[in-house]
Amino acid sequence: EVQVMESGGDLVQPGGSLRLSCAASGFTFNNFWMTWVRQAPGKGLEWVANINQDESEKNYVDSVKGRFTLSRDNAKNLLYLQMNDLRAEDTAVYYCARDLRGYCSTTTCYTGDVFDVWGHGTMVTVSS
Amino acid sequence: DIQMTQSPSSLSASVGDRVTIICRASQSISSYLNWFQQKPGKAPRLLIYAASTLQSGVPSRFSGSGFGTDFALTISTLKPEDSATYYCQHSYNKPPPGFTFGPGTKVDIK
Repeated sequence: EVQVMESGGDLVQPGGSLRLSCAASGFTFNNFWMTWVRQAPGKGLEWVANINQDESEKNYVDSVKGRFTLSRDNAKNLLYLQMNDLRAEDTAVYYCARDLRGYCSTTTCYTGDVFDVWGHGTMVTVSS
Repeated sequence: DIQMTQSPSSLSASVGDRVTIICRASQSISSYLNWFQQKPGKAPRLLIYAASTLQSGVPSRFSGSGFGTDFALTISTLKPEDSATYYCQHSYNKPPPGFTFGPGTKVDIK
């Protein structure tokens, strides 16, 4: 079964750090871009960051640039989101998702970013 | 940055009704538009990508249309399990990437 599973969410004080992990299974991890999307309590969805297959391209929403860092371990099928200098506004459920950008199946090649497989999310709470 | 709007913000409809949700982009995004369904406490689910392509496993009562700045998600015959919040999202990745989601449309069953 194709799936991703997040972990690492916790309660952290403002200014603190946290590292989220996303474990992928059921697909060839190093063939895909990966992305993070977050959702603050009672709010809508916000794209956070994405990373390509060999880590040569990483993109971040402006609000996390310089504070969050994406990385991946293709040998272990793991995606990481290192979050530093956390703020109250970073409080959210963080979802990891597979991104189909540039992927070609037997019938389709994806040119845009399509987030097709999502994890259940991990909660990050930033509060004193 | 590309901004996304949706209308209505919420709607209430009966089982069997035809429902349409509108999504507008602040600039042309060609057909780089995806639709997601989210139920409370659950992860989003991809319904439609590239504006009109149905994701595998999604019921055919869902359809998408549009190009440029104006898009629509239609549920042809509403079912009880369609009660959820629906989000559009642009996937236009040049430049800079933002992949902004719309604010969502909550669909309730009367």
